[in-house]
Parts: sequence; C-alpha cells; structure tokens
Amino acid sequence: GQNIDQPTEMTATEGAIVQINCTYQTSGFNGLFWYQQHAGEAPTFLSYNVLDGLEEKGRFSSFLSRSKGYSYLLLKELQMKDSASYLCAPLDSNYQLIWGAGTKLIIKP
Amino acid sequence: GAVVSQHPSWVICKSGTSVKIECRSLDFQATTMFWYRQFPKQSLMLMATSNEGSKATYEQGVEKDKFLINHASLTLSTLTVTSAHPEDSSFYICSARGERPLFQETQYFGPGTRLLVL
Repeated sequence: GQNIDQPTEMTATEGAIVQINCTYQTSGFNGLFWYQQHAGEAPTFLSYNVLDGLEEKGRFSSFLSRSKGYSYLLLKELQMKDSASYLCAPLDSNYQLIWGAGTKLIIKP
Repeated sequence: GAVVSQHPSWVICKSGTSVKIECRSLDFQATTMFWYRQFPKQSLMLMATSNEGSKATYEQGVEKDKFLINHASLTLSTLTVTSAHPEDSSFYICSARGERPLFQETQYFGPGTRLLVL
C-alpha cells in the first residue's frame, strides 16, 4: 500500500531551526513535494525533490533519500508566520500526489 | 508566476441546489487540473483529475453524476456540485499543472472554495 509518516505536531521557538521528517512508501516514485498549508487556506508549493540530496531555497531546505524512502524539510530562522501545516507528498508511478495528514508546526515567541 | 484562482471563495446554499466552482490558471496553460476536497483537520482528498478536452477521471467513491467536471480550455476547469446536501459541505480546492518539462510535476493550488449547504 501507499503510506506517509510524518509527526502530527511539532513546536519550535521563533528564530530557531526545525526539521520535519517524512518517510513514505509508494507504488513507484516520481519525486516528492513539500507544501505549506495555513489553517483555512489552500496549500502553497514549497519544494520538489526528484534526485537525492539537499535543495536549498532561502530559509527552507528540503532533502531526499530515495533509497531510504525519506525526506525532510528544514526551516531556519523561524518566524511566527511559519506556523502552519507542512505536507509531505510523494508522486507515485501514476504521477498522483499521495497526501498524508501533514505536520502541524507551532511557533512560540 | 503560476497563479491559480478560484471563484467563488464562499458559497452558502440551500439543500437541493447546484453549485458551480470555477478554477482558472492565470498565467500559464494547465494541461491537467485536479479537484480536491478537504474536511476539517483531515488530509486533502483527490476527487478527480481532468485533462483539457477529455473526460475527467474520478477517484473511487466519488460520484461522477454528482460532481460534474468540465475542463473546457487550458485555463479553465469547473466543478458543479449537483443537488448539494449538507454532507457536501466542505473545502473544495483545485490545482493546476502546467506543461512538462517546464513545470515538472508541480501542482499549483487555487485559494479554495468553502461550501456550506444548509
């Protein structure tokens, strides 16, 4: 079956760094997306990894290890506005995004 | 770039009426559009995938006669909830994917439409 495993909730302090881990099992694999979703809003695209390694984009970085079925999203210099759910979504062999429940990140002052 | 709009943002209607939601890609051509539904504190659920000019592919358990999807052009897809009932109340979100390889596989989401059926 297809499965995504992320922590349900994480708490971090403003200005700090947080790493959100994701492990996945899919039927085939065509890359992995990270999306940010604020409460009551639609998801917004953060990153797409198709090759192993780290991709850095400003304060956000995303890492992928295809052999381990593992990815993480690293958020630096946390701001209050980063409080949101972070969705790890691998793309399966049919190019369908597989969605989990995401990780709710709470930032405290 | 890659902006997707949805209209309306909010709909409140009486049970039994039909509701149409529009999804537009504003600055790119969307070869494929997706319709999702999300209930509070739950993950996104894919309802259907549509390619321009062809019939939509519905996910298992989604009634095609109830959720009518029309992808008339490369920038517009519509979802019509026919004879809406209170259990159809949800957050409906569309996403659009542009042509490969430029857009890779990224889906860009519209802002969503909240439907409340009384």
